[in-house]
Amino acid sequence: DTEVTQTPKHLVMGMTNKKSLKCEQHMGHRAMYWYKQKAKKPPELMFVYSYEKLSINESVPSRFSPECPNSSLLNLHLHALQPEDSALYLCASSQDSGGTDTQYFGPGTRLTVL
Amino acid sequence: QKEVEQNSGPLSVPEGAIASLNCTYSDRVSQSFFWYRQYSGKSPELIMSIYSNGDKEDGRFTAQLNKASQYVSLLIRDSQPSDSATYLCAVKDRDTGRRALTFGSGTRLQVQP
Repeated sequence: DTEVTQTPKHLVMGMTNKKSLKCEQHMGHRAMYWYKQKAKKPPELMFVYSYEKLSINESVPSRFSPECPNSSLLNLHLHALQPEDSALYLCASSQDSGGTDTQYFGPGTRLTVL
Repeated sequence: QKEVEQNSGPLSVPEGAIASLNCTYSDRVSQSFFWYRQYSGKSPELIMSIYSNGDKEDGRFTAQLNKASQYVSLLIRDSQPSDSATYLCAVKDRDTGRRALTFGSGTRLQVQP
């Protein structure tokens, strides 16, 4: 089973709203990732958690705030977003097994900021 | 800066033909290589991974890796219209502290019925 789930599938929010994206995996993976993907572009890494600790933050604006409550869950809290933040937000997970580590992606959340 | 290069396409092949997708990478310490398929509006789906020089086959898919030439390719035999998608090449380096993948910009494949 290589399933990563994400909720919601679609989200529309205003620039003053606060919302959260959720990601869950039950594969026993120890690393979880947030990516942002704009149309016709490859995924861009935002954050990496390994063993529930933030290991990479790719200079993401503070209006994006990640949280890893436990090894199966990953959240992305959104506040005061801009219209240019509209994108597909992808969660991924992996075993964190070194060089041959393989990332599996969830279905994504399509975010629209008005 | 690490780079992964792909021809953006579209690569158009007739149904039943072999589709050949190519990827070059700039960092010699790159260790693991992945091909993801992404349908429009969907998330990337892992197709193949390859770590050693040579060929790796899985059904209609064959990944080829040549580390000396810093080149990885994906062959799709008996191409079907359902193979029409964007194919992303992704590279991971040897540094285990750097868990991120570096993606190419993707090649759009169109299989004509």
